[in-house]
Amino acid sequence: KAGVTQTPRYLIKTRGQQVTLSCSPISGHRSVSWYQQTPGQGLQFLFEYFSETQRNKGNFPGRFSGRQFSNSRSEMNVSTLELGDSALYLCASKERAEQGGELFFGEGSRLTVL
Amino acid sequence: DAKTTQPPSMDCAEGRAANLPCNHSTISGNEYVYWYRQIHSQGPQYIIHGLKNNETNEMASLIITEDRKSSTLILPHATLRDTAVYYCIVRPSGGYQKVTFGTGTKLQVIP
Repeated sequence: KAGVTQTPRYLIKTRGQQVTLSCSPISGHRSVSWYQQTPGQGLQFLFEYFSETQRNKGNFPGRFSGRQFSNSRSEMNVSTLELGDSALYLCASKERAEQGGELFFGEGSRLTVL
Repeated sequence: DAKTTQPPSMDCAEGRAANLPCNHSTISGNEYVYWYRQIHSQGPQYIIHGLKNNETNEMASLIITEDRKSSTLILPHATLRDTAVYYCIVRPSGGYQKVTFGTGTKLQVIP
């Protein structure tokens, strides 16, 4: 099976712009969660989607949003970018959301905001 | 908030066992202990998980204390490729959950 695929891998934006990141989960996995990783804050949970519905959300401002499509692919969007949004954004999938189970992470999208 | 406490860094000689501790004193009865590791700038990789019994797989062993308030991840024969940040997290077995990663332990395997 192919792993979790995130695109783009690297991108550079300027303050005030918006960005959309994409995540394709492992085939058959219906849960997708997103994380932000920065040197200062570590790995922080953004949100989780299952069956096209957001099931849980971390403590991030409304500029951070996401969605999931019927094929389980997910996108996250950050509007009005700030310098502090520079980070590695990681996506993880697992087969079901109702149960525990290991998360499978993608390689991440590294966002630099200038 | 992170539910786990780990030492920020550890060294281990190549070929020796690496024992990484984790404290999770507030763990609930339905919460599992999971371990992941992250090699520089890559996505975290699942290692192992357990509820209350010790577990072993091809990568590592997980020892959970009887009171479940702490655990130890054991890499039996550390190699240079095991140099990574190791995260211990606790997660309930069901429901939709926020997954909280702490700051992890930076393991440096020394030749």
